[in-house]
Amino acid sequence: ETGVTQSPTHLIKTRGQQVTLRCSSQSGHNTVSWYQQALGQGPQFIFQYYREEENGRGNFPPRFSGLQFPNYSSELNVNALELDDSALYLCASSPDEGGRRYTFGSGTRLTVV
Amino acid sequence: SQQGEEDPQALSIQEGENATMNCSYKTSINNLQWYRQNSGRGLVHLILIRSNEREKHSGRLRVTLDTSKKSSSLLITASRAADTASYFCATALQGAQKLVFGQGTRLTINP
Repeated sequence: ETGVTQSPTHLIKTRGQQVTLRCSSQSGHNTVSWYQQALGQGPQFIFQYYREEENGRGNFPPRFSGLQFPNYSSELNVNALELDDSALYLCASSPDEGGRRYTFGSGTRLTVV
Repeated sequence: SQQGEEDPQALSIQEGENATMNCSYKTSINNLQWYRQNSGRGLVHLILIRSNEREKHSGRLRVTLDTSKKSSSLLITASRAADTASYFCATALQGAQKLVFGQGTRLTINP
């Protein structure tokens, strides 16, 4: 329905492990952004990609990295997981670089134990 | 720290009443957007208001923007049980490639 699909929906990882979250955007949406939403908080911007190049980054350490592919899919990778990384991770896509309006996926709930 | 602050943090009203949520922000913006989130899942875009607009309507939604006070309000008229959700304002900052969200208002509509 939303046009943005995220997988998996839920994930449990152990501290220190690595995780890859995936997002499939709508065709023609060249901009994809990733957000982290802790429980009871608003989403926090992690980074944004436009045509496979990172063009914006929030206040997250380098162990958060991403990739965007030509087929409108993207990945968020997190290395050396910490307990505080437990959150809902949201992917959002937009047809333009400025991102006037984003379509969000349903998110991946990551739990780090 | 987050750009936007929303007020109230939680709101509970009876079905049929109007619900008003407020958002304040700190820096100059290109536009301000309101989103709804059900049960901690994905965000649904409700309405976008540009920095040169003062009021915008969409169905039962009315959004105002006061750039001199750096504030916005979302009014939901004739509320329904299905409006129960968290509502977030998000600002698109000038020169920045991101949305900055507030902490949200949890709205509960009682039947």
